[in-house]
Amino acid sequence: QVQLQESGPGLVKPSETLSLTCSVSGGSVSSSTYYWTWIRQPPGKGLEWIGYVYYNGNTNYNPSLKSRVTISVDTSKNQFSLRLTSVTAADTAVYYCGRGGNQLTHWGQGIPVTVSS
Amino acid sequence: ENVLTQSPGTLSLSPGERATLSCRASQSVSSSYLAWYQQKPGQAPRLLIYGASSRATGIPDRFSGSGSGTDFTLTITRLEPEDFAVYYCQQYSSSPRTFGQGTKLEIK
Repeated sequence: QVQLQESGPGLVKPSETLSLTCSVSGGSVSSSTYYWTWIRQPPGKGLEWIGYVYYNGNTNYNPSLKSRVTISVDTSKNQFSLRLTSVTAADTAVYYCGRGGNQLTHWGQGIPVTVSS
Repeated sequence: ENVLTQSPGTLSLSPGERATLSCRASQSVSSSYLAWYQQKPGQAPRLLIYGASSRATGIPDRFSGSGSGTDFTLTITRLEPEDFAVYYCQQYSSSPRTFGQGTKLEIK
């Protein structure tokens, strides 16, 4: 059974870069079958799709974040990562990684990230 | 982008009753590329339905999905105590993928 686990700092300063990693076990990010996705959820609000990466590095981003976001895959570590630059308080959220470019069949537990000085 | 609007915002029902949740899209969702998720407090969402009407692995048959085009429905027959949660629809017919704002199903 595939499992995903987010990791990274829980506190980021405004204007800095948020960097998170999703470690995958029980499955391979090198598989051509799946896309690997990042989703976020601001406190008390709904879900926002950030984007996804394919095993070959191809990506698809939400236009609302496209200028600030990079999602990459590291097949040697069986991980994929999220970088979000120039963060503000509006980027405070629980960040989830998931498997799937369409419906998400598997999700990580989520990692809360606060943007504050 | 394809905006999804869920109704009602909150649904108050009792265990054993039937719940009907609606999701309306601003643009047609081709090939019924619509999913439903359940989220409980402090937990990640869980996939219930994909392809508008196909149940995900391990999902009880009291959950069913229907609809096409711009109007979709999630039905939960015979509510169990563990079904009280927030439900989200998501379309994956176009990019960016989008979610509805959620329907909170609460115990009456």
